[in-house]
Amino acid sequence: QVTLKESGPALVKPTQTLTLTCTFSGFSLTTREMRVSWIRQPPGKALEWLARIDWDDEKFYSTSLKTRLTISKDTSKNQVVLTMANMDPVDTATYYCARMGYYYDSRGYSRKYFDYWGQGALVTVSS
Amino acid sequence: DIQLTQSPSFLSASVGDRVTITCRASQGISSYLAWYQQKPGKAPKLLIYAASTLQSGVPSRFSGSGSGTDFTLTISSLQPEDFATYYCQHLNSYPPFTFGPGTTVDIK
Repeated sequence: QVTLKESGPALVKPTQTLTLTCTFSGFSLTTREMRVSWIRQPPGKALEWLARIDWDDEKFYSTSLKTRLTISKDTSKNQVVLTMANMDPVDTATYYCARMGYYYDSRGYSRKYFDYWGQGALVTVSS
Repeated sequence: DIQLTQSPSFLSASVGDRVTITCRASQGISSYLAWYQQKPGKAPKLLIYAASTLQSGVPSRFSGSGSGTDFTLTISSLQPEDFATYYCQHLNSYPPFTFGPGTTVDIK
């Protein structure tokens, strides 16, 4: 059974760095083709993909946020950590981690989707 | 980057209604599309990927179709538990992973 759970502070001050931890079970990030992403959702708004880390430690970031984001993994603890620097009130959102499933298309490219999600962690940025 | 639009943004429907939601891509994306359902205060749930493949455990009243730029999610007979917001997502092989703006299905 695959589960993921986010943890971290509910409140951060502007300019501070946010650190969120995703603790998962039911799969391993040492297994080929396993990937975990972070996605956020401001209140009443749509979903925004933030970052991804792969089984081979390859990392990808949202173009608009890449200077502020760092993603890492601790495979011994089954955890993925996201840090976001220089937090601003507009970063107030529910932050989700999600496992990425995939299939191969006819040209051999893997097409990725989010098959298991954590419950989300609401982070408010306010002084 | 591919942009996704959804229509309508909001719709009111009754239990038993057939409901169709549309997702349009800014350029052709073959069948590389997924659909998610999100209920208030909950995480999104994967319904369909590869435009028409039902995720395991999802009721058969949900179906997806389309290819290229135009896609639809259909609920054949709306149930009380289906009132939610639905998002489409482009199944890119590389980031970014773009979501549509969402369609909220509310009780009429």
